[in-house]
Amino acid sequence: EAGVAQSPRYKIIEKRQSVAFWCNPISGHATLYWYQQILGQGPKLLIQFQNNGVVDDSQLPKDRFSAERLKGVDSTLKIQPAKLEDSAVYLCASSWGQGLGDTQYFGPGTRLTVL
Amino acid sequence: AQKVTQAQTEISVVEKEDVTLDCVYETRDTTYYLFWYKQPPSGELVFLIRRNSFDEQNEISGRYSWNFQKSTSSFNFTITASQVVDSAVYFCALSEARNTDKLIFGTGTRLQVFP
Repeated sequence: EAGVAQSPRYKIIEKRQSVAFWCNPISGHATLYWYQQILGQGPKLLIQFQNNGVVDDSQLPKDRFSAERLKGVDSTLKIQPAKLEDSAVYLCASSWGQGLGDTQYFGPGTRLTVL
Repeated sequence: AQKVTQAQTEISVVEKEDVTLDCVYETRDTTYYLFWYKQPPSGELVFLIRRNSFDEQNEISGRYSWNFQKSTSSFNFTITASQVVDSAVYFCALSEARNTDKLIFGTGTRLQVFP
């Protein structure tokens, strides 16, 4: 069974530029998560989707970050404009979406460097 | 508020030594789930174990074992006879039944196993 796919794996941009990340979850998984992991820290949830609806985006900086999951399968996370502090690894995860502490499976992540 | 503490920032051992990684959590929920993930240098978070709050049985999987104690709010992870391939950052995480399944991660423990 294929795991969570993410692209690109690495991205270097200058501040104030825009960037987009793509995620394809494990087939059949209804819930999709985007986490931000700053160097030396644990991942922090940015946004959670159940099918194509947003469940939790309370920690998403909405002035510059946006995310969508239009058809309830793959998802895109965008940053516009990027700031230096956005340098981090962006991890996508998915789960069956049955609630009750579903196990989340993570993709390889996208490492973003903002210069 | 929910919180996960991994007080050990970095641990170094020599191959074949046993090592225990500590995890202490805080939650007001009676139903919650605890996880351990491994993050090797490649960056992907690899799922190791999931435990619910009603199951305090210790678990063993090969060289890995987990000790869950509700009385001390701890969920410690022991690697027996460590190997170089165990070198990674290990994260403990918590999700609460009433909190949309998002994972609250600790800051991680970097384990280095030397030959």
